[in-house]
Amino acid sequence: DQQVKQNSPSLSVQEGRISILNCDYTNSMFDYFLWYKKYPAEGPTFLISISSIKDKNEDGRFTVFLNKSAKHLSLHIVPSQPGDSAVYFCAASAANFGNEKLTFGTGTRLTIIP
Amino acid sequence: DVKVTQSSRYLVKRTGEKVFLECVQDMDHENMFWYRQDPGLGLRLIYFSYDVKMKEKGDIPEGYSVSREKKERFSLILESASTNQTSMYLCASSSPEAGNNSPLHFGNGTRLTVT
Repeated sequence: DQQVKQNSPSLSVQEGRISILNCDYTNSMFDYFLWYKKYPAEGPTFLISISSIKDKNEDGRFTVFLNKSAKHLSLHIVPSQPGDSAVYFCAASAANFGNEKLTFGTGTRLTIIP
Repeated sequence: DVKVTQSSRYLVKRTGEKVFLECVQDMDHENMFWYRQDPGLGLRLIYFSYDVKMKEKGDIPEGYSVSREKKERFSLILESASTNQTSMYLCASSSPEAGNNSPLHFGNGTRLTVT
């Protein structure tokens, strides 16, 4: 049972445009959400996170939006750069469980076209 | 900067072999994790440990065991490797001092092929 879903396996975006990556979750106990970025032959690296008490968190070109009623979050990258080409994983956890119950989505491969 | 080092980038083993995957972190983190990454399935938690000699099962522990004899080292053991354990294995660590939701720091992964 996939509790965190990334329905788009891949996405191609022109350089300079906005990239929007989506993630849906089913477990209403999740209250903390993270995005990780993964280059080939490297481990995932933490990108940005958001707590359920917020609906938006911004860090430079990266913004994460959370819609709790829809159980949906999205990552916006503006403007997109060639170095953003990677696989992006969203992840979720519940405060009661902490790190050990971090549940990952299946990933979206983002390709930025120069 | 946190460094999580996995001893092998690539491993090829035969069915039935006992396989050891080693992971070392240099930031004195209490929590350590083993995940596997498979296409279409994302990252799935195999085992984790929040202290020396402590271990907890993750979502897919079958066919695996772990060892944490020292704080900095967390080993994943495949008792009898099978072809369905061919995968990318990722080790991670984190510090509970940063709060329950401190980001995981991952190693670069070990790609294991079982033939």
